[in-house]
Amino acid sequence: AQTVTQSQPEMSVQEAETVTLSCTYDTSESDYYLFWYKQPPSRQMILVIRQEAYKQQNATENRFSVNFQKAAKSFSLKISDSQLGDAAMYFCAYRSAGTASKLTFGTGTRLQVTL
Amino acid sequence: NAGVTQTPKFQVLKTGQSMTLQCAQDMNHEYMSWYRQDPGMGLRLIHYSVGAGITDQGEVPNGYNVSRSTTEDFPLRLLSAAPSQTSVYFCASSPFSGGAPFFGPGTRLTVL
Repeated sequence: AQTVTQSQPEMSVQEAETVTLSCTYDTSESDYYLFWYKQPPSRQMILVIRQEAYKQQNATENRFSVNFQKAAKSFSLKISDSQLGDAAMYFCAYRSAGTASKLTFGTGTRLQVTL
Repeated sequence: NAGVTQTPKFQVLKTGQSMTLQCAQDMNHEYMSWYRQDPGMGLRLIHYSVGAGITDQGEVPNGYNVSRSTTEDFPLRLLSAAPSQTSVYFCASSPFSGGAPFFGPGTRLTVL
C-alpha cells in the first residue's frame, strides 16, 4: 500500500516571503499522480497543483511550484510571495495511474502567514 | 455547473440511528469517492465507484454502505451510527483517470 508523509505539522511564513512544504511518499509503482490540496477554514478542499510522475518537468501554477524528485520519492510545494490568503491546511496526496477514485493523503501541514 | 454538492452540511445523530449523506455531481464524471477527515489523520477513503452500478471498499469501509444507481449520485449510508463515526465527510468526483478529483463542501457529522 502507498503511504504519504508530511513531516511538518505546522509552518509559518512572513507575508511576501517564500515557504516550502515537504511531502514524501512510498510506492512501488512507476505511473502515478501527485497533488497538493489547500483547505482553508471554510474546509473546502481546493486543488493547488498536480504533477504527473512520467513528466520530469516540475509543475507550476502562478506563485505555487513543486520540486518533484521521483527517485527520492519527494514532492515539496513552494509558495512564493506568500499572502495572507495562503493561510490554510495543505495536504499532499498520491494516486495510482489506474485508480481515479482513490487518493492517499498525508496528515497535512498547517501554514500560518504573518505580517 | 454546481460541481459536487453534499447535503446536509451539518448533522447530529444519536448512537444507533441511521442516515444517508447525499452527494451529487453535474459534471458527468465516472469516478466518485467518499472520504472522512479526522483530526491529525488527513482524509481516508471509505468507498469509491468507477461508474454506475460499480462500487468498492476503501481503507475504512466498516459501518458504511454505498450504491451508485446513476452517474450523478453517490449516497453514503450509515447503518447504525457510532461515536467513532463523528467526522467530516467529503465526497469527490473525477473526470478521467488522469484528472484531479473535485471535492464537495463536506458534511460535519456528530454522533452522540
